Amino acid sequence: AQKVTQAQTEISVVEKEDVTLDCVYETRDTTYYLFWYKQPPSGELVFLIRRNSFDEQNEISGRYSWNFQKSTSSFNFTITASQVVDSAVYFCALSGPMGRRALTFGSGTRLQVQP
Amino acid sequence: DARVTQTPRDKVTEMGQEVTMRCQPILGHNTVFWYRQTMMQGLELLAYFRNRAPLDDSGMPKDRFSAEMPDATLATLKIQPSEPRDSAVYFCASGSPPGDTQYFGPGTRLTVL
Repeated sequence: AQKVTQAQTEISVVEKEDVTLDCVYETRDTTYYLFWYKQPPSGELVFLIRRNSFDEQNEISGRYSWNFQKSTSSFNFTITASQVVDSAVYFCALSGPMGRRALTFGSGTRLQVQP
Repeated sequence: DARVTQTPRDKVTEMGQEVTMRCQPILGHNTVFWYRQTMMQGLELLAYFRNRAPLDDSGMPKDRFSAEMPDATLATLKIQPSEPRDSAVYFCASGSPPGDTQYFGPGTRLTVL
């Protein structure tokens, strides 16, 4: 069975602070994919990043960066110089190999960025 | 800008009524997923199709829910009869290999009175 744990329920920061959202996963698959999605107050789910289990390279996209560590089963997400528009719920998710691509979501972390 | 579309966006109905939600996946995507989001359960899978064939519907209450793909451009989720505990936001997502990154529709907010 797959499991995704986001231990931080809610984080509040002041604009321009850096913030890291934690994600720990469990799976018995050797091939799997990890995702982050953003759910702003409007309610839609916005895809941010996908990582496969064979690619542990960290990734940076603008103010966003992701740290994937198989040794600790973690896939953490850092926002640098946070902005009010970053306020949202962020979900980490996990899917399996072909035929088992449905996402198992974490419970989400609500990020509030204060001006 | 290809997007998944869902109709209706909001639905209020009374207990016992039939509810039908529709989803148009992104053209060319061959996997379609239905998820439900509630405060208590979070985001959970209801059904999963690949090339219109159901692969996994283990998360769906079979006595009242049904999911189909009449063709490659339409997925439907029906609830009959609806109950207050079905109140939730229902999301459709579509994806394609490799990795099947899932792109979500805007959701249908269902309220069953």
